[in-house]
Amino acid sequence: GENVEQHPSTLSVQEGDSAVIKCTYSDSASNYFPWYKQELGKRPQLIIDIRSNVGEKKDQRIAVTLNKTAKHFSLHITETQPEDSAVYFCAASKGAGTALIFGKGTTLSVSS
Amino acid sequence: SQTIHQWPATLVQPVGSPLSLECTVEGTSNPNLYWYRQAAGRGLQLLFYSVGIGQISSEVPQNLSASRPQDRQFILSSKKLLLSDSGFYLCAWSVLGQGYEQYFGPGTRLTVT
Repeated sequence: GENVEQHPSTLSVQEGDSAVIKCTYSDSASNYFPWYKQELGKRPQLIIDIRSNVGEKKDQRIAVTLNKTAKHFSLHITETQPEDSAVYFCAASKGAGTALIFGKGTTLSVSS
Repeated sequence: SQTIHQWPATLVQPVGSPLSLECTVEGTSNPNLYWYRQAAGRGLQLLFYSVGIGQISSEVPQNLSASRPQDRQFILSSKKLLLSDSGFYLCAWSVLGQGYEQYFGPGTRLTVT
C-alpha cells in the first residue's frame, strides 16, 4: 500500500523567513496531494492541494510543488508569521473517493 | 453549505467498556465518509472508510468496527476498549464529482482509563 514519508519532523524559523516541508510517496498511482494545517486541539484544515497533472500551485504565501518522477512534493511558506505555527501534514491519495494516507507531520514554530 | 458534526466532543471510558462515536454530515448527499485516529503527538491513521450505506472498508484490523446505517451517518464502535484506543477520533467527508478534497469534523477526544 501507499506510504508517505514527511521531513523534517520539527522546524523552527524566524518570522519573515521561508519554511519548506518535504514529503515522498511510494505508490505511483497516487494522484492527489493535499496539505493540512492542525492547530493544537483542533481539527486538520485543508490549506492547499495539488493534482498530478500540475507541477506547482500557489495561494498567496503558500505554494506546493510536485515531482511525479521522483515521487515527492513539498510545501513552501514564505514570509512566515507567528500564526503559521502549527503541525502540518502532507497526504496522498489515488483520487476522488479514496482514502488519504498521511505523513507523520511537521511541527512548525515561527518565532517573532 | 456542508457541515460535519461529531459527538461527543470528549469522552472518558474505562478499559473494557463499549464505545459508540457518531458522525453526521449535513448539506450533501451520498458523501464518502472516513474515520481517522490520531494518537497524542502522532499522525493521522485511517481506520475505516465508506462509499455508501452498508459499505465499509477497514484499513487496520483491531477491536474497532464501523457502520453506516444512513447516507449521512457514520458510527465507530467497540465492544471492549483498550488503553491503546485513547486518541483523537476524526471523521471526514468528501463528495465524488466535487473534487478530491476531504474535510474533517471537530473530532472526539477519547481517554481510556
